[in-house]
Amino acid sequence: AQSVAQPEDQVNVAEGNPLTVKCTYSVSGNPYLFWYVQYPNRGLQFLLKYITGDNLVKGSYGFEAEFNKSQTSFHLKKPSALVSDSALYFCAVRDIGANNAGNMLTFGGGTRLMVKP
Amino acid sequence: ETGVTQTPRHLVMGMTNKKSLKCEQHLGHNAMYWYKQSAKKPLELMFVYSLEERVENNSVPSRFSPECPNSSHLFLHLHTLQPEDSALYLCASSRLRPATSVTGELFFGEGSRLTVL
Repeated sequence: AQSVAQPEDQVNVAEGNPLTVKCTYSVSGNPYLFWYVQYPNRGLQFLLKYITGDNLVKGSYGFEAEFNKSQTSFHLKKPSALVSDSALYFCAVRDIGANNAGNMLTFGGGTRLMVKP
Repeated sequence: ETGVTQTPRHLVMGMTNKKSLKCEQHLGHNAMYWYKQSAKKPLELMFVYSLEERVENNSVPSRFSPECPNSSHLFLHLHTLQPEDSALYLCASSRLRPATSVTGELFFGEGSRLTVL
């Protein structure tokens, strides 16, 4: 079975400061990991993914995420937060070792990021 | 523009009405999904269609009836809904074949906001 945990319901950051949104996962095999962002009354937008290779993955809007196998984490980071980054962020995992006929992604519960001016 | 179009964007219906949500993807994908997103709840996977066959049904009440006539279109037929069914319904698509090149990320539509009175 695969699972994802986002331990923080909300993260508050001042504009210009670095931000981190935490994600940990559990899979039986090797993971594919994803981050999505959702703005109010909109669908989820793909931000970035880790498949293989470099542990530091760069994505849209200046976001990056670091895959840490020993800690089973995939935290989302940005060096300098913008007010416009305020949104709901979802981490997701796909266990490529599992019998996953529908390519199921498992999503975390989401973390609301609030960036204040 | 994500390549996944959902209509209508907003729908208000009474408990005795029959309505349908429509999703169309222009990405050449061969798997489509319905998710339900309620306030303060994680994303709930409702249905998955892979190559137009249903492969997942997470114990969704029969008042929700999906239909996937081809790989580009997905419907969610609604009847005798309850107020607790009010939510944002998200459609997504992904590629399943060829398996060796599939990473599994989902592409979401903007959602249909349903209010049941």
